[in-house]
Amino acid sequence: EDQVTQSPEALRLQEGESSSLNCSYTVSGLRGLFWYRQDPGKGPEFLFTLYSAGEEKEKERLKATLTKKESFLHITAPKPEDSATYLCAVQAYSGGGADGLTFGKGTHLIIQP
Amino acid sequence: GAGVSQSPSNKVTEKGKDVELRCDPISGHTALYWYRQSLGQGLEFLIYFQGNSAPDKSGLPSDRFSAERTGGSVSTLTIQRTQQEDSAVYLCASSLRDRDSPLHFGNGTRLTVT
Repeated sequence: EDQVTQSPEALRLQEGESSSLNCSYTVSGLRGLFWYRQDPGKGPEFLFTLYSAGEEKEKERLKATLTKKESFLHITAPKPEDSATYLCAVQAYSGGGADGLTFGKGTHLIIQP
Repeated sequence: GAGVSQSPSNKVTEKGKDVELRCDPISGHTALYWYRQSLGQGLEFLIYFQGNSAPDKSGLPSDRFSAERTGGSVSTLTIQRTQQEDSAVYLCASSLRDRDSPLHFGNGTRLTVT
């Protein structure tokens, strides 16, 4: 069974204080690892897809990296508007079954001015 | 362009009543997914459609839950004889179902069963 564990559950940072969020996963065959951002009352918003170990992707203050067992979302010099819940999900090669994602419970990030 | 649209945004119903939740996916997206998000829990997969067929219904929690999709577009999730444990946010997502196409989510329907 595919499993995704995110840590920490919650993180409070000062504006400008860089940090990293962790996503550990177990999957039979990784098709892709996804990062989403979710604001209160909204659906998840797509950020990145990573496909293979060693891959990195960047968007503004965010950089996602991938190893064979985990992914990190690095946040550099965050601003208050980066406050959100960050969700990690994996998609497995399911051989004809659902292509749905298995999600972690998320990291609730608060950036204080 | 228009994103995934879900209606209603909020639904309060009495225990035992039936409810229907609607999802309008992004035009041209062949794959459609329903997820459930409960307080403090991760997103729970419910059902997946490819076109109008549902090859994977494994996530539906009980036979009170059903879903259909017509015309390869709009989908309806129906919950019969609602129970308090059905209270959650129901999220719909759609995609092109190719390797580089992520899931795009709607803002969900918040269901409260009293």
